[in-house]
Amino acid sequence: GNSVTQMEGPVTLSEEAFLTINCTYTATGYPSLFWYVQYPGEGLQLLLKATKADDKGSNKGFEATYRKETTSFHLEKGSVQVSDSAVYFCALSSSASKIIFGSGTRLSIRP
Amino acid sequence: DGGITQSPKYLFRKEGQNVTLSCEQNLNHDAMYWYRQDPGQGLRLIYYSQIVNDFQKGDIAEGYSVSREKKESFPLTVTSAQKNPTAFYLCASSPQTVLSSYNEQFFGPGTRLTVL
Repeated sequence: GNSVTQMEGPVTLSEEAFLTINCTYTATGYPSLFWYVQYPGEGLQLLLKATKADDKGSNKGFEATYRKETTSFHLEKGSVQVSDSAVYFCALSSSASKIIFGSGTRLSIRP
Repeated sequence: DGGITQSPKYLFRKEGQNVTLSCEQNLNHDAMYWYRQDPGQGLRLIYYSQIVNDFQKGDIAEGYSVSREKKESFPLTVTSAQKNPTAFYLCASSPQTVLSSYNEQFFGPGTRLTVL
């Protein structure tokens, strides 16, 4: 079946460091891929998405490229800020009805 | 402003009591979802509904019930049959349009349920 595997956390970085959170997937067909972010005590917010191979999603300095050959959708940011501290979820949608979420990666940024 | 509202934000319940969590959306979305999130874990799907008066079980439906009498509303009842109900509950909706097969979901702020 379809599944998403993402980097286990927590990930702790200093401010202005480069961020990579790995995400790989298993799916039949051509899924859409998403990154969601969850700040403490809140719901999930869509951070970015990509709907076909080689698409690059980007938002707020974050980027991820849909790599079909490696079944990956790694999240990157060139210079993180304290305000980026949150839990990040990789997810895929292979049908109109459901999204499958990864287990989440907690990111903490030190000033 | 369009969005999804969940109430209450915090809910306390005694063991053996049923409790209903509210979820309302004014986004005119067809599909709605309920997830459960436990500390340090991902989301698990409880129930979902793609159209009014119809809903399907997710991965962990036992001990929960839902209704979808109106497009805007998708309340979740946590029954006394749910053995470990303390968790963070998230409601989501999706446009699920014909033109886009793979729609993202939009989330409410969540309800934290604690069983005393």
